[in-house]
Amino acid sequence: DTGVSQDPRHKITKRGQNVTFRCDPISEHNRLYWYRQTLGQGPEFLTYFQNEAQLEKSRLLSDRFSAERPKGSFSTLEIQRTEQGDSAMYLCASRFPGGGNTEAFFGQGTRLTVV
Amino acid sequence: AQSVTQLDSHVSVSEGTPVLLRCNYSSSYSPSLFWYVQHPNKGLQLLLKYTSAATLVKGINGFEAEFKKSETSFHLTKPSAHMSDAAEYFCVVSERSGYSTLTFGKGTMLLVSP
Repeated sequence: DTGVSQDPRHKITKRGQNVTFRCDPISEHNRLYWYRQTLGQGPEFLTYFQNEAQLEKSRLLSDRFSAERPKGSFSTLEIQRTEQGDSAMYLCASRFPGGGNTEAFFGQGTRLTVV
Repeated sequence: AQSVTQLDSHVSVSEGTPVLLRCNYSSSYSPSLFWYVQHPNKGLQLLLKYTSAATLVKGINGFEAEFKKSETSFHLTKPSAHMSDAAEYFCVVSERSGYSTLTFGKGTMLLVSP
């Protein structure tokens, strides 16, 4: 399978715990995005990587959130001290090198439930 | 800055009737525009994209969209709805140059009745 893969698909955690999600983009895509989607809303941008460089972060990304893409391949998104408001679907997308006219390919997402 | 407004949160049609999902965008630069579809428990799938070539864009499953710069619109249409079209649809804007992020609308849920 050459699509974007995310792991785990589902995560249930207790409030206050730390969680980490992984995204493996399509191999030739140098651009990688993280989005968050809550029920009834469109995906909201969290952060963007070009190769290993994190070029943009949303104001939604509080200091409890951190993302890395250490070798310009897979990426991780960590949430520290989770809160119930963090419950959402976390989506990863990758995009071929180029301008804004190339489409993004999305993974199936990681559904986080904080109890 | 860029933004997207999807004018209807829900659209209900009967099978075999036309579909119209409305989208208006705002962009400081020349935009690229996309429509994505999300079926329940499935990932986001690209339906079609506009990137400055023809203003009428054809996508998968019989969907089309027309880019109208004067109206800042990119409405999605299909001549005849099928039950399998029932899903949530997202209009997305991206600045055509540079590394631009994708900005999503809030989505339109399409309901198709027999």
